[in-house]
Amino acid sequence: DGGITQSPKYLFRKEGQNVTLSCEQNLNHDAMYWYRQDPGQGLRLIYYSQIVNDFQKGDIAEGYSVSREKKESFPLTVTSAQKNPTAFYLCASSIGQQWGYTFGSGTRLTVV
Amino acid sequence: AQRVTQPEKLLSVFKGAPVELKCNYSYSGSPELFWYVQYSRQRLQLLLRHISRESIKGFTADLNKGETSFHLKKPFAQEEDSAMYYCALGTGNQFYFGTGTSLTVIP
Repeated sequence: DGGITQSPKYLFRKEGQNVTLSCEQNLNHDAMYWYRQDPGQGLRLIYYSQIVNDFQKGDIAEGYSVSREKKESFPLTVTSAQKNPTAFYLCASSIGQQWGYTFGSGTRLTVV
Repeated sequence: AQRVTQPEKLLSVFKGAPVELKCNYSYSGSPELFWYVQYSRQRLQLLLRHISRESIKGFTADLNKGETSFHLKKPFAQEEDSAMYYCALGTGNQFYFGTGTSLTVIP
């Protein structure tokens, strides 16, 4: 199913808690990305990684952290420092920019 | 700075009518432009890339560097075209997405 898997599909978090969203791909893509999708705002880049053990901040990295210990995996942690974490989170991977992205099916995070 | 602008949040057309979804970009380098589509309850997927100059599902998009535009067009809209469409600009390290246009094709 598409080669890139995000889990869970729905996630609920209490205020003040950290939570980690999973993203796994079996496409052998070097680059992986995390976006946040909010109504009326399109997709905004949180973090990206072009190679294992290396990652860069995107436009809205505050309150988030990532790791890239394996090529296949790029988990995103939403920390308690993120002021407005309720959103739809999309993970993507790419073999090269000219080919575009392959997207996961997303995780909807709700803070309760 | 807004790099990709999609001026229409909502667009409705009748089945069989032509449709054009507008996209303008701002980038000083050589742009790589894409259209992505998200059908209801499905994941976001690549529709077409400007470098391939392809037609997918009857849609085409021409890069106009003079007008910095990459409008998506289809001569005869179908009901199954109803979806959310995103224009994206590749800048070497990442993509910048527009805010999206929700297209509704009225039967």
